Amino acid sequence: DAGVTQSPTHLIKTRGQQVTLRCSPKSGHDTVSWYQQALGQGPQFIFQYYEEEERQRGNFPDRFSGHQFPNYSSELNVNALLLGDSALYLCASSLDVGRDSYNEQFFGPGTRLTVL
Amino acid sequence: GQNIDQPTEMTATEGAIVQINCTYQTSGFNGLFWYQQHAGEAPTFLSYNVLDGLEEKGRFSSFLSRSKGYSYLLLKELQMKDSASYLCAVRERNNNDMRFGAGTRLTVKP
Repeated sequence: DAGVTQSPTHLIKTRGQQVTLRCSPKSGHDTVSWYQQALGQGPQFIFQYYEEEERQRGNFPDRFSGHQFPNYSSELNVNALLLGDSALYLCASSLDVGRDSYNEQFFGPGTRLTVL
Repeated sequence: GQNIDQPTEMTATEGAIVQINCTYQTSGFNGLFWYQQHAGEAPTFLSYNVLDGLEEKGRFSSFLSRSKGYSYLLLKELQMKDSASYLCAVRERNNNDMRFGAGTRLTVKP
């Protein structure tokens, strides 16, 4: 079992550019969440995808968008990059069991994005 | 929204016991999580509390008091490899996300 995988590992972009980050969930998982983690901070929730739809969204601008494919993998897109978008982007997958229960979220290794 | 507060840094000695506190405010509590994150790595799940009381898992234990909006992570028999950031996260009712605190960076010294 490969666990959660993300690509690329590192990425350098310049202001105004666009970036796409990719995530493959752990085998058997159907839900993917994306988080942004600035240096020295905890992860901040961006959004969650389930059944190919954005199910919930955190406090992030529309420049952040995503997609989930039929095989449950997911992409995070960020347009018009700002210096402040430099962070570690984490993907976490889980198996949906409804809001009254809980299944552990497994995190991927992250993509380190640097915006110059 | 909710505030999640935990100490920024803590230092402890190898073999000792350390308690990392977390306080939170939420409009509808639906679970509290502790994660461990080594520098440059992904967070890894440590514990989950949804009811009041103590959950023990080997050297790690986590406690929850919902009425006080309070949790702690207890690490016993500290080892050098326990040096890491410890993240407290809360899930709200009717939400599917976890909201994290800024993390507590623990340094274990010989």
